[in-house]
Amino acid sequence: QVQLVESGGGVVQPGRSLRLSCAASGSTFRRYAMHWVRQAPGKGLEWVAVISYDGSNRNYADSVKGRFTISRDNSKNTLYLQMNSLRVEDTAVYFCAQYSSVWTALGYWGQGTLVTVSS
Amino acid sequence: DVVVTQTPLSLSVTPGQPAAISCKSSQSLLHSDGKTYLYWYLQKPGQSPQLLIYEVSNRFSGVPHRFSGSGSGTDFTLKISRVEPEDVGVYYCMQSIQLPWTFGQGTKVEIK
Repeated sequence: QVQLVESGGGVVQPGRSLRLSCAASGSTFRRYAMHWVRQAPGKGLEWVAVISYDGSNRNYADSVKGRFTISRDNSKNTLYLQMNSLRVEDTAVYFCAQYSSVWTALGYWGQGTLVTVSS
Repeated sequence: DVVVTQTPLSLSVTPGQPAAISCKSSQSLLHSDGKTYLYWYLQKPGQSPQLLIYEVSNRFSGVPHRFSGSGSGTDFTLKISRVEPEDVGVYYCMQSIQLPWTFGQGTKVEIK
């Protein structure tokens, strides 16, 4: 069973930066793509970014492109999301999720970490 | 972007009764590889989303048989044959045929 634990959330002023981490247990981390999905307070789910299993390919939602960077360190079983130039509208719970080619789906999710952008 | 639209947005169900949620996409989710990239997730109160159904109709590990998915192309349905109290939460459909992956607005299921 895969366990994903996010950290790094907090309160930050608009325009500032924050880096989220997602620590994965188990030996499957390096085999699968990883995603970030966010959820603004009281709202639905929004896909944010994806990184391939080896880090060679990355894609972003238009809403974060150019400001956020997804990366991973397979030696540490850890996924990251570097968030720069944060905006009030980036306020959300950020979930990391593991893609599995077995189900072609996000089969495992972390518990989420809250990012609040406010002056 | 592929737009995914769910109906209804809320549902109040008596335990033991069936429930159905519709999901429509703005373009076909059938890929040239023969797979249809439509998924259902349930987010229980205070929890992260959990995968229920993958590729339209396949139950994820541990998902009870009362949950079933059907549909093709652009029209899909999640059915719960007999709703139980632990089924409360918000149900989302999601497409992954094309980036950015997109979710429906969510359907909140409550127990009467």
